[in-house]
Amino acid sequence: DAKTTQPNSMESNEEEPVHLPCNHSTISGTDYIHWYRQLPSQGPEYVIHGLTSNVNNRMASLAIAEDRKSSTLILHRATLRDAAVYYCILERGGSQGNLIFGKGTKLSVKP
Amino acid sequence: DAGITQSPRHKVTETGTPVTLRCHQTENHRYMYWYRQDPGHGLRLIHYSYGVKDTDKGEVSDGYSVSRSKTEDFLLTLESATSSQTSVYFCAITKGQTYNEQFFGPGTRLTVL
Repeated sequence: DAKTTQPNSMESNEEEPVHLPCNHSTISGTDYIHWYRQLPSQGPEYVIHGLTSNVNNRMASLAIAEDRKSSTLILHRATLRDAAVYYCILERGGSQGNLIFGKGTKLSVKP
Repeated sequence: DAGITQSPRHKVTETGTPVTLRCHQTENHRYMYWYRQDPGHGLRLIHYSYGVKDTDKGEVSDGYSVSRSKTEDFLLTLESATSSQTSVYFCAITKGQTYNEQFFGPGTRLTVL
């Protein structure tokens, strides 16, 4: 299975944009890119996903490199409630939702 | 709220005893998943189900079995619990025909002494 590489931790200031990077150099053409986040003592929460094109939703934006070997999750204005572990995950098309989580990036947000 | 409950929420048991964890959903979705999460790690898939009596193994299935006799319930069984199975267990479902977005339950914290 293709793997992802993320920084262990990042810090941000409240109300500033945050760019969370993810490298996935061995991605295949049918792999979807997912982002989930996990707040303390909770189950993971879906954030966004994409295949080739950039994606926007009410929570965040996903920017996918043209060669698809990296992607960036963008939180447009960080809030204290965005402090969480963010996971970048590749899902092989047709795998019936078999998500392979890595260790993720722990995002801290300072007031 | 995806209507997912897990029971029990906390359990302490002894090595060698059988343990069953239950995941219950109220919306009759087809796909259900069991993950475990250990300190400092992301989640790892144990087993998943794509319908009643249809299950398949995930990344870390050894020592675990599952059953799904009704759409709404997905049971995870540790036949003979070991200390290495101390973990937090999460159940998840996907809605509709796409499994791109998974919804997770609140988790069960299991301690095996």
